[in-house]
Parts: sequence; structure tokens; C-alpha cells
Amino acid sequence: GDSVTQMEGPVTLSEEAFLTINCTYTATGYPSLFWYVQYPGEGLQLLLKATKADDKGSNKGFEATYRKETTSFHLEKGSVQVSDSAVYFCALSPPRSNYKLTFGKGTLLTVNP
Amino acid sequence: DAGITQSPRHKVTETGTPVTLRCHQTENHRYMYWYRQDPGHGLRLIHYSYGVKDTDKGEVSDGYSVSRSKTEDFLLTLESATSSQTSVYFCAISASSGIDEQFFGPGTRLTVL
Repeated sequence: GDSVTQMEGPVTLSEEAFLTINCTYTATGYPSLFWYVQYPGEGLQLLLKATKADDKGSNKGFEATYRKETTSFHLEKGSVQVSDSAVYFCALSPPRSNYKLTFGKGTLLTVNP
Repeated sequence: DAGITQSPRHKVTETGTPVTLRCHQTENHRYMYWYRQDPGHGLRLIHYSYGVKDTDKGEVSDGYSVSRSKTEDFLLTLESATSSQTSVYFCAISASSGIDEQFFGPGTRLTVL
């Protein structure tokens, strides 16, 4: 079945450091790919998305590129801030699935000043 | 912010009692979803709805039932709560396409003693 694997956390960085959170997936066909973010005590909100191979999603300084050949969608940010501290979830939505999302287990990011 | 609310926000109950969680949306979105979030598991889909009175099971549906009699409301019922159902429950809505984002509610923290 479809699945998402993302790097284990927690990840702890200093402010202005470079961030990479790895995400790989297994799916039939060409799924849409998403990164969601969950701030403490809140629900999830969409951070960025990509719907086809080689698409790059970007938002708030975060980027991820849909790599079909490596089945990956790694999240990157060049300079993290304390306010980026949150849990990040990679997710996919396969075609013809009634738009259901399959999530990775989440990666907790803590950014220290 | 998407108009999506969940009630109650917190609930403590005892094993064997029935529990109903409510999700209410004001966006007139077609799709609604119930997830549970547990440490080490990310979010897992319990049930979803693709229209009024149209529902289907997710990956962890055992012990749960749902109903959707109106577009705006999606109810999740635990017929006889067990301690393994202690979790944070999130409702999500989506318009009509898998490339549209899912909007998440604030969550309900349920504790089954």
C-alpha cells in the first residue's frame, strides 16, 4: 500500500541554520505530495504542495521538490527561525483515492536562539 | 482561516461509555475526514465522507462509526470507548480535488480511563 517515510526526530538547530527533513514515499501512479506543519496545541496547516514530477512547492522560505526518480520530497529551508519550531508532516494523496491523505509520522523541529 | 470547529475540545470518559465527537464546517466542502494522532504514528485516517450519507472506512476504523446527515456536520462515534482510543482526534475538510489542501480543525483531546 501507499506509505510515507520521513526522518526520525527530534531535530534541534540553532537559529539561521540550514534545515533538511527527508521524506520518501511509496505509491502507485503519480500522487500529489504535501508538507503540513503543526504548531504546539494547534491543528495541521498546509505548508506547501506539489502535484507532478519536478514541481517545486515553496512557502515562507521552505521549499520541496517532487522527485519521481528517487520518490522523494525533502523539505528545506536556508535559515530557520525560532518561530519555525513545530512538527512537520510529509503526506501524499494518490490519484483516484477520494483525496485521502497518507501521512508520515512527523518530525519535531526545535530551533534555539 | 477555514471555518471548521470541533466539539468538545477536551473530554475525559470511562471505558465502555459511548462518545460522540462533532465536526462542523461553514465552507460547504464536499469531503470530510476524521483522523487520530498518536505519538510515533503520525495521523491515521479513521473514516471519511465524500458527501451527505456517503462515508467509507480509513485504515483504523475498528471501534468507530460515523454519520453525515448534513453537509456541514460529520460525527464520529465511539460505541464503547476503550483505553486504546485515548488520542487527539482531528477533523479535516477538502473541497473537491486531491490537489486542494485539507483544512484541519483544532482537535479534540479524548482520554478514556
